[in-house]
Amino acid sequence: GENVEQHPSTLSVQEGDSAVIKCTYSDSASNYFPWYKQELGKGPQLIIDIRSNVGEKKDQRIAVTLNKTAKHFSLHITETQPEDSAVYFCAARGLINTGTASKLTFGTGTRLQVTL
Amino acid sequence: EAQVTQNPRYLITVTGKKLTVTCSQNMNHEYMSWYRQDPGLGLRQIYYSMNVEVTDKGDVPEGYKVSRKEKRNFPLILESPSPNQTSLYFCASSFRGIGNSPLHFGNGTRLTVT
Repeated sequence: GENVEQHPSTLSVQEGDSAVIKCTYSDSASNYFPWYKQELGKGPQLIIDIRSNVGEKKDQRIAVTLNKTAKHFSLHITETQPEDSAVYFCAARGLINTGTASKLTFGTGTRLQVTL
Repeated sequence: EAQVTQNPRYLITVTGKKLTVTCSQNMNHEYMSWYRQDPGLGLRQIYYSMNVEVTDKGDVPEGYKVSRKEKRNFPLILESPSPNQTSLYFCASSFRGIGNSPLHFGNGTRLTVT
């Protein structure tokens, strides 16, 4: 099955700096890669996603890049703010046992701390 | 307000005492799923349901049961809880399955089994 590795596990940046979180996946058939932000006491919330037919996607201060050949994708947050402090999860969608049903496999999370 | 509602938020129980965590969504979503979140392991899928009366195992189904009798509800049942099921549990739903529409999560249920 799919295996998703995420690095780093913790990341501390100063306000205004950029933050980059990287993930690798194992299943070359995976075709959908969402990123989730989890604030304290809440469930994960989708912040951006990318499909395998696109190499990069941006939404204001956040962007995601995908390298299908190398099987890795990254989350980039520019001009970080204190409210960006949270746990971020990457995920990859693959097929279940070559069937049509699909599942999301999550990375282990990155705790981002934005300091003043 | 569109949301996924889990109850209870916190639950402390003893080994072997059956419990149910409820999950309800008001968005008419077809797909629902349960995850557990453990430190260093991320989110792991327990069970999922593609639609009413259709459920299937995820990565860590042992010790859990689910049912999907109505579209809006997807309860998680622990028939005989054990300490290794102490975890943070999330219910999630989406309109048409993974990748076709965003996955919406509830706010979690923190379960402690002593």
